[in-house]
Parts: sequence; structure tokens; C-alpha cells
Amino acid sequence: NAGVTQTPKFRVLKTGQSMTLLCAQDMNHEYMYWYRQDPGMGLRLIHYSVGEGTTAKGEVPDGYNVSRLKKQNFLLGLESAAPSQTSVYFCASSPTLGRGSYNEQFFGPGTRLTVL
Amino acid sequence: AQTVTQSQPEMSVQEAETVTLSCTYDTSENNYYLFWYKQPPSRQMILVIRQEAYKQQNATENRFSVNFQKAAKSFSLKISDSQLGDTAMYFCAFMKHARAGSYQLTFGKGTKLSVIP
Repeated sequence: NAGVTQTPKFRVLKTGQSMTLLCAQDMNHEYMYWYRQDPGMGLRLIHYSVGEGTTAKGEVPDGYNVSRLKKQNFLLGLESAAPSQTSVYFCASSPTLGRGSYNEQFFGPGTRLTVL
Repeated sequence: AQTVTQSQPEMSVQEAETVTLSCTYDTSENNYYLFWYKQPPSRQMILVIRQEAYKQQNATENRFSVNFQKAAKSFSLKISDSQLGDTAMYFCAFMKHARAGSYQLTFGKGTKLSVIP
């Protein structure tokens, strides 16, 4: 079980370039999330998905798009990168809410993105 | 909206000693969950301990325990017998009960803990 993996681990972009971050999980989890972590800040939710084909906005969605075409993958896209998007990006997944009342989130190792 | 406040940006502790990290939160919810996550230099987010708001008993996981004061909206983490491997950023986080329809973790800004040999 690889858990949650993220590709790439590091990336440097120029302002205006586009890129896609890939998150994959092999735990058959329904829910997936994208967070960003900036210096001196905790993680903030960008977008999330509660199942294949669904997406929803989180706390800081502007400048990002997401897609969940396959249950195991959650893609985060930057159409026109800006220096303000320099950050560490974390993906997480969690199982379907069962009889328990919360869903523990399992995190990937993060992607460090620098936009020049 | 929920907010989570960690008032100690940095702390240090001698190896084998005990340290307490503070966390306060603000919410109008009655049922919710609180978490402490550890982020070592590797960047990996690791769940340390979880507390369910409806449980009065404080959660304990080996050397880690919490002091949950619901009325005061306080959720501190105590690390006993500190080890060098405890050196990390520690984040306090809040999640509404699932029946509230929220899936979001709200994080504090973190406390950087250094364990000194």
C-alpha cells in the first residue's frame, strides 16, 4: 500500500505558465482534498471531492481548478501561475463516512511549487 | 466559521522533559473533533492524537496526551519524556461533526518544537 502519493515532489514555474499536480491514492477512499501550506500558516483547503466526478470549493479556491475523473486520482491545475501561488501543496484522502462520525484524512508527502 | 489559534510560534524542551503546547479554538458547534498533527522536517503530516468533543475523558496515545476544556475551548497537547524525534511543527486542527456536512479541517498556524539533547 503506497497510501497517498503526489507527483511531482518539486517544481519551478515562471509566471503565466500552467501545470497540473497529480494526487493518487490506493486505499479506495471516496473523499480527496487539496491543501496549500504557506510559511507561518497552517494548511488551508483549496478544493475537495466527495466522489468520482464531483468537486467543490474550499477556503482558498481562486486560481486553481480540479478534476476527479477517476476515483483514485485528484488533479490540481494552475492555468496561469502567479508568484502568490508559491507554496507547498498537500493532497489528502479519507474513507466514506460510515457509522463513525468523522473521516480521518491521510496526507501525501507534499509538492513544493515555486513560481518566479 | 471556525478559527484555531496556537499562541506559541516556537518552543523548546530538554530531552526527557515534559512540554505542553497550547491551542484554543472558536466555534458555535456542539459536536466536533480536535486533532494534533505533527510535521517533521520531512514535511509528512502525521496524526498524533484525536479528541471527540462529546467525550469528557482526555485522549491519550503513549507519551502524548491532551487537556480538553470544552467550556474554555482549549485543547492543549502534553508530550512526556520528550525525544529528539519529537522535533517538528505541531498543528492543532478542528473538524465539525459529519452531520454538519463539513469535511474541512481547519488548522492553526503551528508551533515549532525543538527537543534539545
